[in-house]
Amino acid sequence: DAKTTQPNSMESNEEEPVHLPCNHSTISGTDYIHWYRQLPSQGPEYVIHGLTSNVNNRMASLAIAEDRKSSTLILHRATLRDAAVYYCIGNGGSNYKLTFGKGTLLTVNP
Amino acid sequence: ETGVTQSPTHLIKTRGQQVTLRCSSQSGHNTVSWYQQALGQGPQFIFQYYREEENGRGNFPPRFSGLQFPNYSSELNVNALELDDSALYLCASSLPRANTEAFFGQGTRLTVV
Repeated sequence: DAKTTQPNSMESNEEEPVHLPCNHSTISGTDYIHWYRQLPSQGPEYVIHGLTSNVNNRMASLAIAEDRKSSTLILHRATLRDAAVYYCIGNGGSNYKLTFGKGTLLTVNP
Repeated sequence: ETGVTQSPTHLIKTRGQQVTLRCSSQSGHNTVSWYQQALGQGPQFIFQYYREEENGRGNFPPRFSGLQFPNYSSELNVNALELDDSALYLCASSLPRANTEAFFGQGTRLTVV
């Protein structure tokens, strides 16, 4: 699995967009990029994943660089409920395991 | 809610004892993975079960073992508990593919005293 690097923490204001960066320079051509988030006292929650193209779902958008060495998770309008630790994971192969780093702690100010 | 349920939610054990944690996977998911999350850290992969067989293991000693049953539910057993085993234990169910999402339970908080 690819090693990923994320900022330890970020801060945003409510109802503003948030861009969470992730570097994964060692990613292989077949590794998917997954994002999970973990709210306090809960298990991780799937956010989004992609391979090469940008992806959108009801929770967020994922912008993947053309060289795939970095990606950005975009929350279009942050709410207080989005305050969580966000994990970026490079995952591949048939053995589906997730290699979590320390993630980015997102604080959302009212 | 994800449909993945873990029991118990909290547990206190004494060093040297044994513990069994349980997980019911999401309907239709035949792959169950277990993770250990120490305070302030990201979850660490313990092992994965697919169709009742261990299908990959992280850097954990043999005293961490597991089972998966025909209905895809799973157990995590830890023998000879150590103080450092105190952590949140998470179960995740999924399909056995890299391009799919995993569904996590709420976890079992284990405290070893």
